[in-house]
Amino acid sequence: EAQVTQNPRYLITVTGKKLTVTCSQNMNHEYMSWYRQDPGLGLRQIYYSMNVEVTDKGDVPEGYKVSRKEKRNFPLILESPSPNQTSLYFCASSPPTGVRKVTEAFFGQGTRLTVV
Amino acid sequence: GENVEQHPSTLSVQEGDSAVIKCTYSDSASNYFPWYKQELGKGPQLIIDIRSNVGEKKDQRIAVTLNKTAKHFSLHITETQPEDSAVYFCAASSPNSGGGADGLTFGKGTHLIIQP
Repeated sequence: EAQVTQNPRYLITVTGKKLTVTCSQNMNHEYMSWYRQDPGLGLRQIYYSMNVEVTDKGDVPEGYKVSRKEKRNFPLILESPSPNQTSLYFCASSPPTGVRKVTEAFFGQGTRLTVV
Repeated sequence: GENVEQHPSTLSVQEGDSAVIKCTYSDSASNYFPWYKQELGKGPQLIIDIRSNVGEKKDQRIAVTLNKTAKHFSLHITETQPEDSAVYFCAASSPNSGGGADGLTFGKGTHLIIQP
């Protein structure tokens, strides 16, 4: 089954304790990205990756890191989490469609993170 | 960059009635407009999309219309059913955007409630 898998689904952590949220897709997609979803603010992009070893900042990158060492995996790293990073996080991937042509984004099930 | 406004934030309709959600965008170069449905506890899922070379697209009870001159697009759901209850997001993609694995800017979402 084609899917984007995030882990964990739920996480409660303390301020300053480094954590990683994993994301894996089995569709051989080149494009992957991370979003956070907050009430009243919708989906905001954190980081994206056009391909292996190619990553760039989205709209709200502060406090986050990513890596793309393999095509299928795109982990989100919070080096020193703070309470304002409490949110619902989504990983997404999209198939390649040519130069600057956008198509469907496939989303994972989400990771609900609470930082206390 | 692109800015997408979505209205209303909450919409309650009687089962069987129609629902309309409206979005406006700012970048006249935007050329791809998808709509995503997010059910409780799940990630957003594409339900319909439209590209700038057409004005309307239908898929059973769902339709999307696009007015490029006015820079707005709408989602129409006819004969609403309880399973239509969800949060709906519009999005727009512009070649001028800063990037993005999927190049999408999302609206803030509409919580659609179908009253039995």
